[in-house]
Parts: sequence; structure tokens; C-alpha cells
Amino acid sequence: NAGVTQTPKFQVLKTGQSMTLQCAQDMNHNSMYWYRQDPGMGLRLIYYSASEGTTDKGEVPNGYNVSRLNKREFSLRLESAAPSQTSVYFCASNMGHRSNTGELFFGEGSRLTVL
Amino acid sequence: GDSVTQMEGPVTLSEEAFLTINCTYTATGYPSLFWYVQYPGEGLQLLLKATKADDKGSNKGFEATYRKETTSFHLEKGSVQVSDSAVYFCALSDLTGTYKYIFGTGTRLKVLA
Repeated sequence: NAGVTQTPKFQVLKTGQSMTLQCAQDMNHNSMYWYRQDPGMGLRLIYYSASEGTTDKGEVPNGYNVSRLNKREFSLRLESAAPSQTSVYFCASNMGHRSNTGELFFGEGSRLTVL
Repeated sequence: GDSVTQMEGPVTLSEEAFLTINCTYTATGYPSLFWYVQYPGEGLQLLLKATKADDKGSNKGFEATYRKETTSFHLEKGSVQVSDSAVYFCALSDLTGTYKYIFGTGTRLKVLA
């Protein structure tokens, strides 16, 4: 049972390079999320997709774009990486219905370093 | 806006000691409250949750009670083990239709044998 799968797990970029973080879930979840985790700051929401075909900005969207490719997949793109985007990125998903009070399911994280 | 505040870490305890990690929240509505745990090199996973006032969530010997009057959701365990060493995150979920979750900054727990 794979759950939430993120790729790559590690990546080193030079300033100005672009890359895409991939995320896929096999739990038939409606909602998907991208967070970044930085020391002393906890998890901050970058973008989320409440359902297939919709995306919305979170707390720290600048410098990122997302695509909800289908119900399973939600990718995060850095068009021109900056050292401030050095972080650990987590994808998460859940059912997302209004009545849902359930948990978020997380991937194992992607550690990105921008030099 | 809604927010979660949890105690600064790191917390270092000896095995079998009593654990409390404080968490308080501010919210305009009636959120659900969660504790997530992150073991080294892994993603977060749900530890326990409570969906309404006075509910007690429990799992693996950990407990937390949703206290509306004090807007708190403190995590407790009577006897910690070395395997409990991890980072613990308090969180609330926004049920106003955006399905967003707000996390605290995390508290690192280190348990010594």
C-alpha cells in the first residue's frame, strides 16, 4: 500500500535552475497539499488542491507553481530556484470533504538544496 | 487568523519519565485538533485527534484532551521510551470549506536510555 509517493527524495540545484517535484497518491483522495518544512517554522502551506481541477494559494506561494494533473497527481514546480527555497517539501492528501475531520497523509519528503 | 502555538523544544527526558508538550490554539470556529509525529527521515503521521470540546484522543500511550475553555490540546504520556524520540506537531483543521490545516512549529523530543 504505497500511500503518498514523492519524487525525487533529494535534489541539488543551482540558483536559477528549474525543477518539478512529483507527488502521487493511491487512496482516491480528493484534496492534495504541498508544504515546506523549515527549522523553527514548522510546516507552511505552499499550495493546495481541494479537488481535481482546482488549485489555490497557501501561505507561501511565491516562486512556485502547481498542477493537479489528475485526481492522483499533484506536482510542484520551481521555475527559477533561489537559495531561500532550500527546504524539505512534503506532499499530503486527504478526502477533503466538508464533513471530513480526518487525517492528512504525508509523503516521505523531498529535500531540496539550492546553491 | 487561526493559529497554533506549541512549546519550544528540544525536550530531553530520561526513559520512563512523564511527558507534557503544551499546545494552545486560536480559532474563530470549532476546529478539529491533531497531534502528528515525525520520526527521523520520515514524513508526518497522525498520532491522535479530537474533533470536539472535551474529546480525548489517545494512541500508543499518548493522550490529549480538547479543552475549549483554555483553548488547549496538551500532549501527555505517562512513561516515555527511547523510541518516542521524534518531533511532535500540534495542528488544527479549518472546516470552513478550504480544508486547510495549520501546524505549530514542532517540538523535538529526545528520550535518553
